[in-house]
Amino acid sequence: GAVVSQHPSRVICKSGTSVKIECRSLDFQATTMFWYRQFPKQSLMLMATSNEGSKATYEQGVEKDKFLINHASLTLSTLTVTSAHPEDSSFYICSASLPAGETQYFGPGTRLLVL
Amino acid sequence: GQNIDQPTEMTATEGAIVQINCTYQTSGFNGLFWYQQHAGEAPTFLSYNVLDGLEEKGRFSSFLSRSKGYSYLLLKELQMKDSASYLCAVRALYNFNKFYFGSGTKLNVKP
Repeated sequence: GAVVSQHPSRVICKSGTSVKIECRSLDFQATTMFWYRQFPKQSLMLMATSNEGSKATYEQGVEKDKFLINHASLTLSTLTVTSAHPEDSSFYICSASLPAGETQYFGPGTRLLVL
Repeated sequence: GQNIDQPTEMTATEGAIVQINCTYQTSGFNGLFWYQQHAGEAPTFLSYNVLDGLEEKGRFSSFLSRSKGYSYLLLKELQMKDSASYLCAVRALYNFNKFYFGSGTKLNVKP
């Protein structure tokens, strides 16, 4: 199956700082990637759809100025959490699908802790 | 909108069979997917249904009834390693790749 990586796997930062998370498709080109957030004991909540070469599409209630998404190439999407606060502490997971694929392949996730 | 319901938690015995149900109400439907997620890890794909009926993949099977908005995941010959959360997800009709997830069912497999 397709492989998706994320970096970093874990990050701790101070309140008010910005954190960048990278998502890469290692063995395929992904025109579309997705960013999810998962709080403890809850399911994945879709935050935004990242489209290569165009602006991301954000789900209702997700602040686009706070969660900056850049999809500069067919294998890389980045999520930047700006001015992070403790309530942003969560598990962030990206996914990508093959152009003609049926399912999404998930990255290993990034655990963010904001102090 | 999307509304996807699953039981929160289930317990079963090693070697047994367990069925995890999922009901959904969506504004557009283009497939139902099941994922397994171990604690602290990303989900891994198990099975999916687009048409009504049963799809079998080894110890895992998934069933779909579109008219009833209902699916189940059947796990046979349970193993301890099957202890995980099982997520039901619906793919949106009008955005081919957008998925909406249920809250997940935590399965505890006992010896």
